[in-house]
Amino acid sequence: NAGVTQTPKFQVLKTGQSMTLQCAQDMNHEYMSWYRQDPGMGLRLIHYSVGAGITDQGEVPNGYNVSRSTTEDFPLRLLSAAPSQTSVYFCASSYHGGRYNEQFFGPGTRLTVL
Amino acid sequence: GNSVTQMEGPVTLSEEAFLTINCTYTATGYPSLFWYVQYPGEGLQLLLKATKADDKGSNKGFEATYRKETTSFHLEKGSVQVSDSAVYFCALPPNTGNQFYFGTGTSLTVIP
Repeated sequence: NAGVTQTPKFQVLKTGQSMTLQCAQDMNHEYMSWYRQDPGMGLRLIHYSVGAGITDQGEVPNGYNVSRSTTEDFPLRLLSAAPSQTSVYFCASSYHGGRYNEQFFGPGTRLTVL
Repeated sequence: GNSVTQMEGPVTLSEEAFLTINCTYTATGYPSLFWYVQYPGEGLQLLLKATKADDKGSNKGFEATYRKETTSFHLEKGSVQVSDSAVYFCALPPNTGNQFYFGTGTSLTVIP
């Protein structure tokens, strides 16, 4: 199993550009989520999904869109990038969102917005 | 609401020193508790977990005991190594609802 994969690993954007961060998992997990990691702020939840066709907002959803058309894929879209979105982005998945289930993390995408 | 409070870092220790990283939580009911580790340039990976009060999770020489009376889950290791240099996150998986809660992370540097 490849686990959770993310592409690209690094990306530089100009303000106003759009892009999609890709995330895929091959563990047949129902629950997937996106976090951003910023110095001194830990991990903050952007969006999550409890299954194909179902998404919901987390703590910091503004400026980001998601969709979940398949169990395997959970892309994160930045419609109009801003410097405040410079961060490291992690995708994670788990069997479901319950109390016993650990989340498996991807290697991250380091995004810089100029 | 649910939350996790974690000891501020960074922490710098000499090799073979004793490590404690404090973590306390606020939650309804009886949650599970996790510790994750993030090595440089990588994603987070589960280090250990405990699913009920008085449980002790352990892995790679690290231990943490779920203390319901003090709502704590402190991470300890008796003798740290250079290879333990990483960022450590305390985490609260959802007891109800769907959101995991993470502490802010504690950066550990072990010097030879």
